[in-house]
Amino acid sequence: DQQVKQNSPSLSVQEGRISILNCDYTNSMFDYFLWYKKYPAEGPTFLISISSIKDKNEDGRFTVFLNKSAKHLSLHIVPSQPGDSAVYFCAASPSGTYKYIFGTGTRLKVLA
Amino acid sequence: DTGVSQDPRHKITKRGQNVTFRCDPISEHNRLYWYRQTLGQGPEFLTYFQNEAQLEKSRLLSDRFSAERPKGSFSTLEIQRTEQGDSAMYLCASSLTTTEAFFGQGTRLTVV
Repeated sequence: DQQVKQNSPSLSVQEGRISILNCDYTNSMFDYFLWYKKYPAEGPTFLISISSIKDKNEDGRFTVFLNKSAKHLSLHIVPSQPGDSAVYFCAASPSGTYKYIFGTGTRLKVLA
Repeated sequence: DTGVSQDPRHKITKRGQNVTFRCDPISEHNRLYWYRQTLGQGPEFLTYFQNEAQLEKSRLLSDRFSAERPKGSFSTLEIQRTEQGDSAMYLCASSLTTTEAFFGQGTRLTVV
């Protein structure tokens, strides 16, 4: 039972364009969402998060959008850079808990 | 470097042997987590400590696995009688709150 789903295993984008990574969840108890970036042979690196009381959070080139009614969140990277090429994981947790449920990841390739 | 540190980075062991991994969290973080990641999957929650207390263990953690966090500082994860199915990346993370956790670089275990 995959509670957090990333249905696109991979995505290729030209440098300078927008990258949009999507994530769907099924558990309505989730109210805190995170995106992590992972390079090969390294641990995940925290990128950006959003609480369910917001619908948008922005940090530099990275913006996360949350649509609670659709149980959907997305990560926008603008402009995309070759160094953004990595696997991106979406994660979710219920309020006040410590357990993150991760999606299976989307491999982003930014082409120079 | 004040991040989460894991040792060793790589471990190759023969089936049936015992292995132990160490995690040193960020110093002021009282919450510590162990996750496991296999190929093509996102990290899966294994166990959680708040200070020295182990508050939850996933059903993924069979009785061959044991984790400790003496004195609420570093943590160890031991796997007894390793099996080939234990081959994975073992990730440790720490946090100060129930929001974002910071991951170490992981220990890659290969059981031959």
